[in-house]
Amino acid sequence: DGGITQSPKYLFRKEGQNVTLSCEQNLNHDAMYWYRQDPGQGLRLIYYSQIVNDFQKGDIAEGYSVSREKKESFPLTVTSAQKNPTAFYLCASSTLGEGARDYEQYFGPGTRLTVT
Amino acid sequence: GQQVMQIPQYQHVQEGEDFTTYCNSSTTLSNIQWYKQRPGGHPVFLIQLVKSGEVKKQKRLTFQFGEAKKNSSLHITATQTTDVGTYFCAGPRSNDYKLSFGAGTTVTVRA
Repeated sequence: DGGITQSPKYLFRKEGQNVTLSCEQNLNHDAMYWYRQDPGQGLRLIYYSQIVNDFQKGDIAEGYSVSREKKESFPLTVTSAQKNPTAFYLCASSTLGEGARDYEQYFGPGTRLTVT
Repeated sequence: GQQVMQIPQYQHVQEGEDFTTYCNSSTTLSNIQWYKQRPGGHPVFLIQLVKSGEVKKQKRLTFQFGEAKKNSSLHITATQTTDVGTYFCAGPRSNDYKLSFGAGTTVTVRA
């Protein structure tokens, strides 16, 4: 089955700790994205990547970091600098082609992070 | 910057009734995409509209793209409990690979 996997589904951490969320896809997509979802709000882009070893900040990148060492993997680290890390985190991927903005995004099941 | 606004934020519908949710952009869009997120789930792509004035149907769902390509609507007829969830519209920003998502319309259904 092709798709995107995220692990774990639920994650609990103490304040001040860094935590890394996993995202793997076997869709052979070039573009990958990380979104944050809070209640009553849409999806806000944290980081995105169009190619291995390259990534760009999204709208709310502060307190987060990413890497793209392999095409199929795009892990997100939530650092202790992120002031309100408790949220639902969604990873997505899409075809790049002539313009990834014109292609649908496939989402993983998400990771619900709770920091206390 | 480009923003996509959705109204209403919440829609409470009696089973069997129709409703419409609206999406408005501050700029012209090359296309508009719609996604559905079931409670506890993740967004799933429903459809993409590209042409001005385009109308597409998926069973009881009718999607429309405005003539000016700055707004879109989703109309659901004879609402069922399976329609429960949050519907997002998303439009690509003009100069990069990012999608700008609306805040979503959360639909609940009264049996």
